[in-house]
Amino acid sequence: SQQGEEDPQALSIQEGENATMNCSYKTSINNLQWYRQNSGRGLVHLILIRSNEREKHSGRLRVTLDTSKKSSSLLITASRAADTASYFCATDVGSTLGRLYFGRGTQLTVWP
Amino acid sequence: SQTIHQWPATLVQPVGSPLSLECTVEGTSNPNLYWYRQAAGRGLQLLFYSVGIGQISSEVPQNLSASRPQDRQFILSSKKLLLSDSGFYLCAWTGIDEAFFGQGTRLTVV
Repeated sequence: SQQGEEDPQALSIQEGENATMNCSYKTSINNLQWYRQNSGRGLVHLILIRSNEREKHSGRLRVTLDTSKKSSSLLITASRAADTASYFCATDVGSTLGRLYFGRGTQLTVWP
Repeated sequence: SQTIHQWPATLVQPVGSPLSLECTVEGTSNPNLYWYRQAAGRGLQLLFYSVGIGQISSEVPQNLSASRPQDRQFILSSKKLLLSDSGFYLCAWTGIDEAFFGQGTRLTVV
């Protein structure tokens, strides 16, 4: 069964605004990752946050992790039209197989 | 650098026809390999994973099979496609702290 669930399913904002997407998961994790998918393409890794970290930054991305609530958020600041894509969270539960559990994704649309 | 190739990009096949999708990885050895399916507007469903040549594990029962004839080659197959096999198929391998995905194959079964 899928581990992560993103919220909202769809988000529509204007350029320059911030976009916040949330992810909830069910079991203990080793780390949580966020991926981006442009329409009809493969997924691209954005950022990873480990279970012992609470916040991480990468450029315009800010990720938080609350292991007590089993939730994470991805914030994209000063959004651009090029940020339009689907965003997925994926949890690594620490299995030796290295498999990830993906949520259903948030479709972000940024209007110019 | 590591790259992952997946082909074809799009495929339209009639019901009952066979399927073969191929994925190859470059720049790494003995990778863990995965086949995912993504239905329209949905998340990724793990179909198969492989930790080595000839080692295949299936996550869900289905009309598909997978094989790994070489260390960096992963093949998704079907003997007879069903309409429900339509979807976007993604091959991936996991490095340290991230997964690398191919560009996907859009399969439409008609």
